[in-house]
Amino acid sequence: ETGVTQTPRHLVMGMTNKKSLKCEQHLGHNAMYWYKQSAKKPLELMFVYSLEERVENNSVPSRFSPECPNSSHLFLHLHTLQPEDSALYLCASSQEVGTGANVLTFGAGSRLTVL
Amino acid sequence: GQNIDQPTEMTATEGAIVQINCTYQTSGFNGLFWYQQHAGEAPTFLSYNVLDGLEEKGRFSSFLSRSKGYSYLLLKELQMKDSASYLCAVEDSNYQLIWGAGTKLIIKP
Repeated sequence: ETGVTQTPRHLVMGMTNKKSLKCEQHLGHNAMYWYKQSAKKPLELMFVYSLEERVENNSVPSRFSPECPNSSHLFLHLHTLQPEDSALYLCASSQEVGTGANVLTFGAGSRLTVL
Repeated sequence: GQNIDQPTEMTATEGAIVQINCTYQTSGFNGLFWYQQHAGEAPTFLSYNVLDGLEEKGRFSSFLSRSKGYSYLLLKELQMKDSASYLCAVEDSNYQLIWGAGTKLIIKP
């Protein structure tokens, strides 16, 4: 399988649940990203990993916890979320971080609904 | 602060031409990207401009004027499959991507 794959595609959870989003890339990229996409808003960068090391955390609440066990896999662990966290969560990868012409390859996203 | 502006929604007719504008104010500039996102799908890369001028790629062209902080995406011979959101993003001086909110393009027969 090629490209960036995200699972699950849809997730409904209560505010007290714990769930995880998974992302895999088979492109040989060194950098992976989590973005939040809300309707009619710009993409919000949440976390960036380069070679499994977190290089950016954009003031994201601690109820979102990323994990990058290797350069091909990225997780977003979710705990005690709020209804305003309902959004599309996009995973992306790129060859490197912090270089020009850094083209991102995105997954199709995980649509999260918090009740 | 850093800001990217693009129209929220545009409508065009199949077979016609449409121009989607993007203006930006960022801390430095290292390039501008356009991505296409069909509903329920992943954003996909369309074009990258770092020098002033027009880059043509088939039916799609992208223009950049760095002095004006302005870019546009030009779509020719519109097809129904071009109905999508078009995202403009700028790489700032730290190579951080600053995103616009996207333009939803509706193509009518």
